[in-house]
Formats: sequence, structure tokens, C-alpha cells
Amino acid sequence: DIQMTQSPSSLSASVGDRVTITCRASQGVSNSLAWYQQKPGKAPKLLLYAASRLESGVPSTFSGSGSGTDYTLTISSLQPEDFATYYCQQYYSTPPTFGQGTKVEIK
Amino acid sequence: EVQLVQSGAEVKKPGESLRISCKGSGYSFTSYWISWVRQMPGKGLEWMGRIDPSDSYTNYSPSFQGHVTISADKSISTAYLQWSSLKASDTAMYYCARPGVPGYNWFDPWGQGTLVTVSS
Repeated sequence: DIQMTQSPSSLSASVGDRVTITCRASQGVSNSLAWYQQKPGKAPKLLLYAASRLESGVPSTFSGSGSGTDYTLTISSLQPEDFATYYCQQYYSTPPTFGQGTKVEIK
Repeated sequence: EVQLVQSGAEVKKPGESLRISCKGSGYSFTSYWISWVRQMPGKGLEWMGRIDPSDSYTNYSPSFQGHVTISADKSISTAYLQWSSLKASDTAMYYCARPGVPGYNWFDPWGQGTLVTVSS
């Protein structure tokens, strides 16, 4: 199985801050990488797929980049509704695997 | 609107059996695999396995193979996740999810989740 490692595991930030979350795969995943947002008590919500393609309806403050084994989710200007836990997921090979999550908290 | 609607929360005792469901609507149910994902309390997301509703072909994660069974009834657009003998360690939220595009394993939408509590 491909192991996905996110960093940091948690971070504190203020509204308006630029936030970057990193996801590293144990082997290359050829941009087969998705990002999800999960709020307490809710199902995960797809933000981006194919590393950088924004899902319809997701604000353009979210962006993704990367290649090979290293990928990044960036929130350009943190909004109050963005405080949540974020997960990366590779779908290059089966089983699909998730990172351990990054919790974004209010500073 | 594409939707996955899951069955309600369950409280069971160790050793009991259980089947939870996930009903798809707003799309061709047989055109997309359905996956199941576990989230233990306070933990991350784990892919358990998937089913092709068109022919009931299944794939399981090695971590879950033999511990759960995934099935589907295409006539009622419903997928199932079942246990024959629950353990306390099966206590978790379980989500069903559909690929955003057939043949790919990124997930959108997700069901709302079914909380399974196993306690004596």
C-alpha cells in the first residue's frame, strides 16, 4: 500500500492567513491526488482532484500543486468557514489511501 | 442531484450481526463503484473496499478482507456493508462514497455516514 504522510498534523492560523499543507507519498502517484475537507460530525467534502483541479463550487482560495511524491494544498486567505480537518488521498493504486489529516484551528 | 443516503445509527452488542445500507439516487447506480470508508473515533479515513453494482464484483483492502462483506442490490440502487460478528473495535463512523468519475478512486459525493457503536 502507498503510505501518505501529511504535515503538519495541526496548525493554528488567523482569518486572512495563507495556509499550506503538505502531503508526501511513499512512492510516486502521478498527480492522482485528491484533497478533502471535513468538519466535525460531517462527511468529507472533495476540494480538489488530479492534484490541482478545483471541484465545482469550491472557492478559488483553495489551490493544489505538486508532482511525483510531494503535493501541497494552499488556502490563500483563510476564511472562518475553512477551520476544519484536511485530508489528502492517493488514487494512483488500490487500495486508495489517505493521509492522517491536518487540523486547522483558530489562533 | 446526485445523492448517497445511508441508514441510521446502530447500537449493537459484541458478537451480533449487522448490515448497513447506502442508497444512491440522481445517477445511473450501475455506472459507478461504491466504496466504504471507516473513521474510528477521533481518527482518520480508511478505505475498506468497493463494489461494482453492475455485477457485484468486489475489492477489499487487505486490512478488512474477511472481516466485512460488501454487497449491492442494483434493483433498488443500494449497497450494503455487513458484519457477521461485531467487535468493540468496529465502533466507528462508516461512510459510503462514489467516484467523481467512473474508473477513478477520488470520491464525490459521500453519504452522510452511519455511526456504529458496539458495546456490551
